Amino acid sequence: QVRLVQSGAEVKRPGSSVKVSCKASGFPFSDYIFNWLRQAPGQGLEWMGRFIPLVGVTVYAPSFQDRLTITADVNTNTVYMEMSSLRSADTAVYYCARFGVDEYTGYYMDVWGKGTTVTVSS
Amino acid sequence: DIVMTQSPATLSVSLGERATLSCRASQSISNNLTWYQQKAGQTPRLLIYDASTRATGIPARFTGSGSGTEFTLTITSLQSEDLAVYYCHQHYNWLWTFGQGTKVEIK
Repeated sequence: QVRLVQSGAEVKRPGSSVKVSCKASGFPFSDYIFNWLRQAPGQGLEWMGRFIPLVGVTVYAPSFQDRLTITADVNTNTVYMEMSSLRSADTAVYYCARFGVDEYTGYYMDVWGKGTTVTVSS
Repeated sequence: DIVMTQSPATLSVSLGERATLSCRASQSISNNLTWYQQKAGQTPRLLIYDASTRATGIPARFTGSGSGTEFTLTITSLQSEDLAVYYCHQHYNWLWTFGQGTKVEIK
């Protein structure tokens, strides 16, 4: 079964860090690019960054460059998103989603995790 | 950054009628445009990719068109289950961006 399973909800204090996991199963891990996106309450989708297993490269959106770290464990097909120096504006649902690397696997995000709610509150 | 602008913000359509959603890119993105549907409390769902190709399992009443900077998502004969927010997304360059979404509601 093709799926991305994310870790559970988190409640964090301002200034702390959070690490969210996304475990892939049912498809070849290296055939896809893994993206992290977030959605603040009542807001739209925002792309944060991606991990490309085939080349081991991580790319970050400029607005997250200094606080975001995306890593992966290729042995367990798990991608991680860690954000530091959390503030209330980081309260959001965080999604991982796969994106294909060629026309066969598809240039689109067709499989998404169910989302992880991160609440930042004092 | 490529700015994606969707219009209208909210679209009220009667059941069975046509809904036309627009998405404009601030520069040409060829056909590197995807549409997603997000129902309340749910994860986004892939609808249309490459601007005009329906994803697997998407009903034929959903049609995507356009290229360059102007794109349209048309829902012919709106159904109650189409109530959702629709987002366009460009992957033309490395810095992905989304439109702010169009909420489709039933008139």
